Amino acid sequence: SSELTQDPAVSVALGQTVRITCQGDSLRSYYASWYQQKPGQAPVLVIYGKNNRPSGIPDRFSGSSSGNTASLTITGAQAEDEADYYCNSRDSSGNPYVFGTGTKVTVL
Amino acid sequence: EVQLVESGGGLVQPGGSLRLSCAASGFTFSSYEMNWVRQAPGKGLEWVSYISSSGSTIYYADSVKGRFTISRDNAKNSLYLQMNSLRAEDTAVYYCARTYGSGIEDAFDIWGQGTMVTVSS
Repeated sequence: SSELTQDPAVSVALGQTVRITCQGDSLRSYYASWYQQKPGQAPVLVIYGKNNRPSGIPDRFSGSSSGNTASLTITGAQAEDEADYYCNSRDSSGNPYVFGTGTKVTVL
Repeated sequence: EVQLVESGGGLVQPGGSLRLSCAASGFTFSSYEMNWVRQAPGKGLEWVSYISSSGSTIYYADSVKGRFTISRDNAKNSLYLQMNSLRAEDTAVYYCARTYGSGIEDAFDIWGQGTMVTVSS
């Protein structure tokens, strides 16, 4: 099966911008979706498709893609954005889906 | 309210079996593809299994193939995961998740709260 690789951890100052990346061969064919997970809670979908936000997700969250890399950008990070973030996409080599390794975002 | 509620988790010995359930409400369950996703303690998310809206198409992760069986009962708005020959490495929180969209831009838009499965002697 394919793999999606993310940086283990990133930090961002309050109110600044942070970009989280996800790399994998499947991203050349499929869009990534992005999930936010806070401790002890279920994941929440924040971005899907080309750059779509579900209802209730703040517009400071945005997505983009180029080649084998998908990115999630938080513009003007807030304290409540501190969480683990996972990318996901269809798997181009057999299994329907694959998750990224996850990125822990710390807001300073 | 659109909701998924898992149940059936617990402590089981290695080699044992467990059946998880996921009750759906607030949407037309029979119209949606469904999945099971798990998360081992302190680890990342792992997709486990997929079932199409009719139940005719099923996929499994290599790590559970031959041991786990996904199924659904659209009349009861319920999703199931039968887990046999359980191993310590199956210890995780198990989430059911709804697939939204199709093709190149689908996603898991609704998640349950999860149910904990612990495999230990």
